[in-house]
Amino acid sequence: QLRLQGSGPGLVKPSETLSLTCTVSGGSFTSSDYYWGWVRQPPGKGLEWIGSISYSGGTYYHPSHKSRVTMSVDTSKNQFSLHLSSVTAADTAVYFCARPVGREDAFDVWDQGTLVTVSS
Amino acid sequence: EIVLTQSPGTLSLSPGERATLSCRASQHVGSNYLAWYQQRPGQAPRLLIYGASSRATGIPDNFSGSGSGTDFTLTISRLEPEDFAVYYCQQYASSPLTFGGGTKVEIK
Repeated sequence: QLRLQGSGPGLVKPSETLSLTCTVSGGSFTSSDYYWGWVRQPPGKGLEWIGSISYSGGTYYHPSHKSRVTMSVDTSKNQFSLHLSSVTAADTAVYFCARPVGREDAFDVWDQGTLVTVSS
Repeated sequence: EIVLTQSPGTLSLSPGERATLSCRASQHVGSNYLAWYQQRPGQAPRLLIYGASSRATGIPDNFSGSGSGTDFTLTISRLEPEDFAVYYCQQYASSPLTFGGGTKVEIK
């Protein structure tokens, strides 16, 4: 059974870069060129899509974050990563990585979420 | 950007009752690329429905989705205790992918 495990620092200082990694286990990240996603949820609020990446490196990002977001893949480790630069307190949220339902960008497998707090 | 508006914001019902949740899009959602998720406190979202009406793997048949174009509905035919949660719709027809603000289904 495919599982996702997100990891990364729980505390990031303002103006620095938030970096998270999602490790895929129990299945192949490279079996099909679908777009795996990052979604975040500020405390007590709703869900926001940040962007998605395919194993071949294709990306598409939310326009609101496009200038600060970079996503990358490491197929040798079955991992994909999120980097969000110049963070502020508004970037404090639980960050989820998720697998798409085939070619459709609904997400059927999620990790447990990583709380990232932006604070000095 | 397609804006999704969910209503009501909160639905107060008793176990065994039927729940009807609405999701209205600001523009046509092509190919009915509309999904529904359930989120319990402290947990990740759980995919219930995709393609407006297809149940995800392992989702019981008391959950059903319907609708097309700009108006979509999630129906829970009989509420079980574990169904009291927040529900989100999401469109993935066009970028950016967007979510609705959520409907909380609470115990009356």
